[in-house]
Amino acid sequence: RKEVEQDPGPFNVPEGATVAFNCTYSNSASQSFFWYRQDCRKEPKLLMSVYSSGNEDGRFTAQLNRASQYISLLIRDSKLSDSATYLCVVRPTPSKLTFGTGTRLQVTL
Amino acid sequence: GAGVSQSPRYKVAKRGQDVALRCDPISGHVSLFWYQQALGQGPEFLTYFQNEAQLDKSGLPSDRFFAERPEGSVSTLKIQRTQQEDSAVYLCASSLGAGGTGNTIYFGEGSWLTVV
Repeated sequence: RKEVEQDPGPFNVPEGATVAFNCTYSNSASQSFFWYRQDCRKEPKLLMSVYSSGNEDGRFTAQLNRASQYISLLIRDSKLSDSATYLCVVRPTPSKLTFGTGTRLQVTL
Repeated sequence: GAGVSQSPRYKVAKRGQDVALRCDPISGHVSLFWYQQALGQGPEFLTYFQNEAQLDKSGLPSDRFFAERPEGSVSTLKIQRTQQEDSAVYLCASSLGAGGTGNTIYFGEGSWLTVV
């Protein structure tokens, strides 16, 4: 079983739609959680950190459920520019980020 | 720019050839990481440096892989006797602090290695 599991997609949604991504992680001792965004042939970039209380950044909302070891990302009012791969990331130790395989999102007109 | 810089950006190596990939982290960043990303996969951890000390090399796939950061700034990832399965993007990343939840990790654009 992979340490971080995500649905690879692709998710094809029209502009303006709301889309949700989920991931699960296996290391219950993990303390830090993130969503990274990766555009085609580019490096991963931090989208947002994820906290148990839930956090929002504009159209993006992230949530962590420690009991279920489950992380989510909600994107409202999708834009064409949101098309990318979204990587669920867990930091089990300070020296290591563990990535999921990523979920590909394609927003269409 | 002021980001993480990697070179070469693209490298084609013949099977059995040795390659060296260079990473210039953001100036002053204590932590440096190497990751390997195969096509269609997420990045996989290779190794971690805190200044010049290699504190975690648990992700290096074989003894053909070697990384160093002798002066605590620039790092080199060396792959000896390359094999086709080594074809991947090698991502370098750095962060300001020595660990902890408050340190954002910044990635370079990667070195794309193709072994033929």
